[in-house]
Amino acid sequence: GNSVTQMEGPVTLSEEAFLTINCTYTATGYPSLFWYVQYPGEGLQLLLKATKADDKGSNKGFEATYRKETTSFHLEKGSVQVSDSAVYFCALRRGSTLGRLYFGRGTQLTVWP
Amino acid sequence: EPEVTQTPSHQVTQMGQEVILRCVPISNHLYFYWYRQILGQKVEFLVSFYNNEISEKSEIFDDQFSVERPDGSNFTLKIRSTKLEDSAMYFCASSETGEGQPQHFGDGTRLSIL
Repeated sequence: GNSVTQMEGPVTLSEEAFLTINCTYTATGYPSLFWYVQYPGEGLQLLLKATKADDKGSNKGFEATYRKETTSFHLEKGSVQVSDSAVYFCALRRGSTLGRLYFGRGTQLTVWP
Repeated sequence: EPEVTQTPSHQVTQMGQEVILRCVPISNHLYFYWYRQILGQKVEFLVSFYNNEISEKSEIFDDQFSVERPDGSNFTLKIRSTKLEDSAMYFCASSETGEGQPQHFGDGTRLSIL
């Protein structure tokens, strides 16, 4: 089947610390992979994406590389800010644009000044 | 930047009543979706809709649920005879055609069943 496993949260970091949120997936075929972010009181916003193996998605200082050999899509940021505090969701989509998204459980990140 | 808008932001309904959640997708998007997130749980897919018909639905999307695109701009989710366990945040999403296009989400409607 198709599923996404994210590291358990919450994650608490000091400002300027390095962030890694692990995400691994199980899928048939060649899925597209996404990271979404949910700020308090808001909806899900696309953070970055990768559509094929070895692609690197990046946005706002966040990066994630599609690793087919380890079925992973870990999210990283070199120096987090207080404003990065949010819930981060890893997701996959099989096949076509129309395909449903499969989400991980989400990881709560809190960054302290 | 265009966005998906959902109304209302919070809906409180008595158990057994019908509720309609409304969404206005991004105007040039052709694919539409509903997801839900029960408090503390994963975001779960409900249904996808394209070309005026359901493309895929999950096991959650039973006869209690229906979707409709009543005009050129709105996309609605109707829940008949609501149950306590329908309490959740419901998200609408839309995407445009093309390989790798992501789904864009609204801010959600928090549905509380009393």
